[in-house]
Amino acid sequence: GAGVSQSPSNKVTEKGKDVELRCDPISGHTALYWYRQSLGQGLEFLIYFQGNSAPDKSGLPSDRFSAERTGGSVSTLTIQRTQQEDSAVYLCASSSLYFFGYNTEAFFGQGTRLTVV
Amino acid sequence: ILNVEQSPQSLHVQEGDSTNFTCSFPSSNFYALHWYRWETAKSPEALFVMTLNGDEKKKGRISATLNTKEGYSYLYIKGSQPEDSATYLCASRRDYKLSFGAGTTVTVRA
Repeated sequence: GAGVSQSPSNKVTEKGKDVELRCDPISGHTALYWYRQSLGQGLEFLIYFQGNSAPDKSGLPSDRFSAERTGGSVSTLTIQRTQQEDSAVYLCASSSLYFFGYNTEAFFGQGTRLTVV
Repeated sequence: ILNVEQSPQSLHVQEGDSTNFTCSFPSSNFYALHWYRWETAKSPEALFVMTLNGDEKKKGRISATLNTKEGYSYLYIKGSQPEDSATYLCASRRDYKLSFGAGTTVTVRA
């Protein structure tokens, strides 16, 4: 597609359930990022993929969070046993190989708004 | 994680007025400074990427400046319009990672 696509746009889930969030990056972009924004907070880095590998997972808040990327394209962020503090907007972004050239942009999807009740 | 700060957190502007707000970031090991505009229920939209000290970028009525030595960037909106209402995010990039500020939410009153 022309842009970064995320699904679902909104997700309401019960506390304790697992959820999967999907990101389709721009075709050909090898770098993929997950960020989240909790209420009143800035964008928080979660994980960075280069191709199918994740050299930086330092932002994942707990072992309930995991992410994978397949075929150098689609990525899935999985949250197990959701808690209320997981409620946030989860954003995905993609970019050209290693921000080739310092002035390369990262392009964001519209986000998934996750509400844990 | 870089400590990126934006001020003010929010501001209200009368239609037609000009405004500006600040992003401050660590000046060491600086790669690039990104500005995004984020409207509700939409994707954050890339506005500018700036890399060199003294850079100035312009897109329509919006412009930005960069001072890498002292670690700050200004975003200016000239002649604000209701469609400029959004949250403006800045992010400092070191290597592959973007570290974001909390944003400045601009509301333009007609």
